[in-house]
Amino acid sequence: QLQLQQSGPGLVKPSETLSLTCTVSGGSISSSNYYWGWIRQPPGKGLEWIGSIYYSGSTFYNPSLKSRVTISVDTSKSQFSLKLSSVTAADTAVYYCARPHYGSGYGMDVWGQGTTVTVSS
Amino acid sequence: DIQMTQSPSTLSASVGDRVTITCRASQSITSWLAWYQQKPGKAPKLLIYKASSLESGVPSRFSGSGSGTEFTLTISSLQPDDFATYYCQQYNSYSWTFGQGTKVEIK
Repeated sequence: QLQLQQSGPGLVKPSETLSLTCTVSGGSISSSNYYWGWIRQPPGKGLEWIGSIYYSGSTFYNPSLKSRVTISVDTSKSQFSLKLSSVTAADTAVYYCARPHYGSGYGMDVWGQGTTVTVSS
Repeated sequence: DIQMTQSPSTLSASVGDRVTITCRASQSITSWLAWYQQKPGKAPKLLIYKASSLESGVPSRFSGSGSGTEFTLTISSLQPDDFATYYCQQYNSYSWTFGQGTKVEIK
């Protein structure tokens, strides 16, 4: 069964770049049926889609974050990554990776465990 | 961008109640709508996809309906394990948007 394992620091200083990685196991990252995405959830708030990537490297971003977000994929390592630059306290959130699946109408049927990222000096 | 509006924001109900949550899209998304359940400290769980298809392993008391701009999630008989927050999510043209969530509380 496909699993997503997140890794990356839980504390980032203001103005620096947040970097997280999601490792895919139990399945192929290169399937044409899936995208790979990042979602975040500020404390006590709802879910916000950050962006998604296809295994070929095509990326799609939330317009509100587009200027600061880079999502990349490394198929040789079965990983995809998130970089969010110039972070502020407003970027403090639980960050999730997930798999939007064509067979699920691009609903996200597999999720990572979540990483709590705090932006603080 | 397509905006998703859920109602109500909070819902108080008792075990055994029939519960309905509504999600409206700012423009037509045909049937590209999913529903999730999230419990505190956990990742969301996919319940319904393509507006009305039940994800494998999800109890049949959950159902979804609608198309275009108006959608509903119904829990036919609320169980203790169902007290949680529910989100709708749309997909359209390589963009995903979530509703603001509906918290189902114990009455």
